[in-house]
Amino acid sequence: NAGVTQTPKFRVLKTGQSMTLLCAQDMNHEYMYWYRQDPGMGLRLIHYSVGEGTTAKGEVPDGYNVSRLKKQNFLLGLESAAPSQTSVYFCASTSDRRGTEAFFGQGTRLTVV
Amino acid sequence: KQEVTQIPAALSVPEGENLVLNCSFTDSAIYNLQWFRQDPGKGLTSLLLIQSSQREQTSGRLNASLDKSSGRSTLYIAASQPGDSATYLCAVRSNSGYALNFGKGTSLLVTP
Repeated sequence: NAGVTQTPKFRVLKTGQSMTLLCAQDMNHEYMYWYRQDPGMGLRLIHYSVGEGTTAKGEVPDGYNVSRLKKQNFLLGLESAAPSQTSVYFCASTSDRRGTEAFFGQGTRLTVV
Repeated sequence: KQEVTQIPAALSVPEGENLVLNCSFTDSAIYNLQWFRQDPGKGLTSLLLIQSSQREQTSGRLNASLDKSSGRSTLYIAASQPGDSATYLCAVRSNSGYALNFGKGTSLLVTP
């Protein structure tokens, strides 16, 4: 059971470079989320999707873009990386909005130098 | 906006003790509350999920309670072990939003 898989697990970027983080889930979940986790700040929602072809902004969306072209995949893009985007990024999915359990990937540790 | 607070921020106990971790939230209109465990450098592992209509859930040595009206949940760990050392996160799914709102966690250290 793969669950939620994030690629890559680690990455170092130079300021101004771009990259895409991939999240894949094999549970046929409708909802997918991208969070970032920073020391002392907890987990904060970046963007989310409530179904294929839909995306919406979360609490800290600036500097990020997302796409959900296929139901099982949710991509997070950084067009021009900044040191402030150094963080651990987590993807999550749930089957619907109401009562079900959320499943998380193992995280991507990104450093922007 | 739903605010989730976890107390204490850090806790150190000797092996064998029973302990309680606290989570409070400001908006009682929730769908559910979920407790997670996070080991250093790792992802989040779901421990217990409590629906808004439930009062508690149990899994092995873990018991989570929910008092929705007062905006509180507790995670009780019985007979703690060094392997329980981790950060424990509380997350709430509100009626008004799509995502989980997290507390900042309680860092637990169980010493042999």
